[in-house]
Amino acid sequence: DADVTQTPRNRITKTGKRIMLECSQTKGHDRMYWYRQDPGLGLRLIYYSFDVKDINKGEISDGYSVSRQAQAKFSLSLESAIPNQTALYFCATRGRGTTYNEQFFGPGTRLTVL
Amino acid sequence: KQEVTQIPAALSVPEGENLVLNCSFTDSAIYNLQWFRQDPGKGLTSLLLIQSSQREQTSGRLNASLDKSSGRSTLYIAASQPGDSATYLCAVYNQGGKLIFGQGTELSVKP
Repeated sequence: DADVTQTPRNRITKTGKRIMLECSQTKGHDRMYWYRQDPGLGLRLIYYSFDVKDINKGEISDGYSVSRQAQAKFSLSLESAIPNQTALYFCATRGRGTTYNEQFFGPGTRLTVL
Repeated sequence: KQEVTQIPAALSVPEGENLVLNCSFTDSAIYNLQWFRQDPGKGLTSLLLIQSSQREQTSGRLNASLDKSSGRSTLYIAASQPGDSATYLCAVYNQGGKLIFGQGTELSVKP
């Protein structure tokens, strides 16, 4: 079984709809991250969380919100989706004291907003 | 603000050729540098991670080097194969606790 899972893997929605993307991990890591990737661009950080009570904005947090329901779960919400939020979304984890600060990525969620 | 740039954006080579992918970063105050592979529509696979105190890391046909003072890293792929075709991403972990990505190099290895 994958250590970092994301649901759904693909989602098509309409402008104005509320969408939630979920991430779960079995690695026991305390740190979790949400990124988005657009064609021709690298990944950009949306939000990150160092533990359940510590949530921080990343580079491009406008239009997004997150919830850290438990150490193993970190959800990303789009309250009112817009077409320029069409992208590939990745969740990642990192453990405190992880060798070399390595991050581990989920398989991604492809979101299309019509 | 840390910026990471990868050159070239795309590269096409014949099978068997040795090749080099380049990554540059503007702020040398980094903890480590990581190279990833991404297949179309897929997630990221970590290839090599170099700590800031290291000069290079090797894994099979891959060798990554790091020159912090000049803000550069290279990923060397020996004897390329069609299965190496993918997008290669470079990312630096900076002292702000964040992973900053380059835009990637799309590699195509022709049989």
